[in-house]
Amino acid sequence: NAGVTQTPKFQVLKTGQSMTLQCAQDMNHEYMSWYRQDPGMGLRLIHYSVGAGITDQGEVPNGYNVSRSTTEDFPLRLLSAAPSQTSVYFCASSLLAGYNEQFFGPGTRLTVL
Amino acid sequence: AQTVTQSQPEMSVQEAETVTLSCTYDTSESDYYLFWYKQPPSRQMILVIRQEAYKQQNATENRFSVNFQKAAKSFSLKISDSQLGDAAMYFCALWGNNAGNMLTFGGGTRLMVKP
Repeated sequence: NAGVTQTPKFQVLKTGQSMTLQCAQDMNHEYMSWYRQDPGMGLRLIHYSVGAGITDQGEVPNGYNVSRSTTEDFPLRLLSAAPSQTSVYFCASSLLAGYNEQFFGPGTRLTVL
Repeated sequence: AQTVTQSQPEMSVQEAETVTLSCTYDTSESDYYLFWYKQPPSRQMILVIRQEAYKQQNATENRFSVNFQKAAKSFSLKISDSQLGDAAMYFCALWGNNAGNMLTFGGGTRLMVKP
């Protein structure tokens, strides 16, 4: 089992560029989520999904889009990057819901200039 | 809305000693779960311990235990016999049954272990 994988590990964007952060899991987990981690603020939920075809907004969804066409994949799209989106992004998955143990990917460090 | 507060940005402990990390939370739920996650310098988040609110007994996992005070909405983590590998960021987190299936994290406590 590879667990939760994220690509890329590092990315530098210019303001206004778009990109997609990839997340995949091979544990057949229904629940997947995206967080951003900023110093002193812990992890904040961006979007989450309770199964293929179902997504919902978290605490800080603005500027980000998600889709879940398969159980395995949950990509996060930045439509027009802004410096405020400079952060470390984590994808996580769990069996059914947020109360199950979350398995996290290794993170993507994104810098927006 | 549910909130999680970790009031200690940094803590330090001598190797082999005991340290307690604090966490307070606020929720209107009666059915909820609390967690402590560890993030070492590798950045990989790992579950340390999980507590179901309806259980009176405090959860334990080897050298890690919690002091769950439901009425006070307090959920502290005790690490006994601290080891160098315990040095990490520790995050307290809360999941509430009716809070939109969202996990809410505190701001984290950085634990340093002195040899």
